[in-house]
Parts: sequence; structure tokens; C-alpha cells
Amino acid sequence: GAVVSQHPSWVICKSGTSVKIECRSLDFQATTMFWYRQFPKQSLMLMATSNEGSKATYEQGVEKDKFLINHASLTLSTLTVTSAHPEDSSFYICSARVDRRDTQYFGPGTRLTVL
Amino acid sequence: GENVEQHPSTLSVQEGDSAVIKCTYSDSASNYFPWYKQELGKRPQLIIDIRSNVGEKKDQRIAVTLNKTAKHFSLHITETQPEDSAVYFCAAPGAAGNKLTFGGGTRVLVKP
Repeated sequence: GAVVSQHPSWVICKSGTSVKIECRSLDFQATTMFWYRQFPKQSLMLMATSNEGSKATYEQGVEKDKFLINHASLTLSTLTVTSAHPEDSSFYICSARVDRRDTQYFGPGTRLTVL
Repeated sequence: GENVEQHPSTLSVQEGDSAVIKCTYSDSASNYFPWYKQELGKRPQLIIDIRSNVGEKKDQRIAVTLNKTAKHFSLHITETQPEDSAVYFCAAPGAAGNKLTFGGGTRVLVKP
């Protein structure tokens, strides 16, 4: 149980284009999903917290107009990186949980490379 | 918000020896402390967690201890094996409890 999937697993795009990443909870309903970014050999940095049916809460320094998050259902959240630039290249990982007392389960991550 | 510090950043041990990683946190209201293991290019996987109403929890070769007074918790891996080589992260939720703050990670290398 508690499986989280992400799609795509990797993506290469040109500078200026937008990229959408999907995060799905496969066998449970996630009231909350989280989006993290991880640079090489660094820790997980929370970008935003996403609750089903409401607007995402972004961490300080994260541009909400650049990183669009939609949590339309209890099993799906999407992150869209708009007008991507090379500095947005990173490993993006989502996680999901049932409620506040529950564990966060991570997706396999999406490696984004912006040329 | 919560601040989590993790030490050491790298740890090299001989196979069969024990490994200990320590984390300190700042918010005394934190009540849940998970440990994740991340292999290169893969997702973080929960290996053990502890809630603030207990001081120690063990699962086979892995144990976590919690000292709420001192605001620190530690991961203990006994009889290390090469497959224990990975990056380990601790985390704490802070007072609001709605998100996790991660430590900087510890890269563990188990030498055969």
C-alpha cells in the first residue's frame, strides 16, 4: 500500500517552454500533497503544500506564478513549471499523505533538464 | 518555523559496524520524527519513525531514539551491510504539524 507515482520520470525541454509533472496516489486518497525540489547532493526543499480543492501554500521564495500547482482530486496533483529556464533544472519530487498524523509517501521523482 | 540540523554529513563505516546519525530540532512542539533513506536517483523511503510519546523504537537492525528535553533524535543502524549505503534524512514537523522540515542529509558508505 501507500504507493505514489509521478509522470514523467524525466523530461528535457527548451528554455521558455512549460512542463507539467503529475503526482498520483495509487491506492489511497491523499488530502495533502507536497512538492519538493532537490538539487544534486542536497536535501529536500519544500516548494509548496497542496490540499485538495484549495489553493496551494507556497514556501517563502517560491514563485507561485512560475510553479503552478493544481490539486483537483484526492489522487492527483500537478506541478507546472512555466517558462522554464536552465536554473529550473532539478529533481522534483512529490509526496502524499492521508492526514496530518500520517506518513508522507514519496513519488519516484521527475528529473527536469532545461536546455 | 522548524529548523533541523543533521550530523554528520558523511559517514564511512566498515561492514558489520554500527552507524549513528543525530538530528536536532528547534521547535519543542514537534511530535513526529521520521527517517528516510534515499538511494541515488531514487525516491526517499521511510525506514522508521517515532512519535513524541515514546523514547525509543526498534525495527530489526534499525532503531531511533528521541530525547525531547534536549530536542534531538538519532538513528542507529547495527551490523551495517553494503546495501545500507545511501543518503539518510531526518525530518520534523514543527508546531503546525502540516509539513516536514528535512535535515541536510547524511551520506553513509558501508565498506565491505
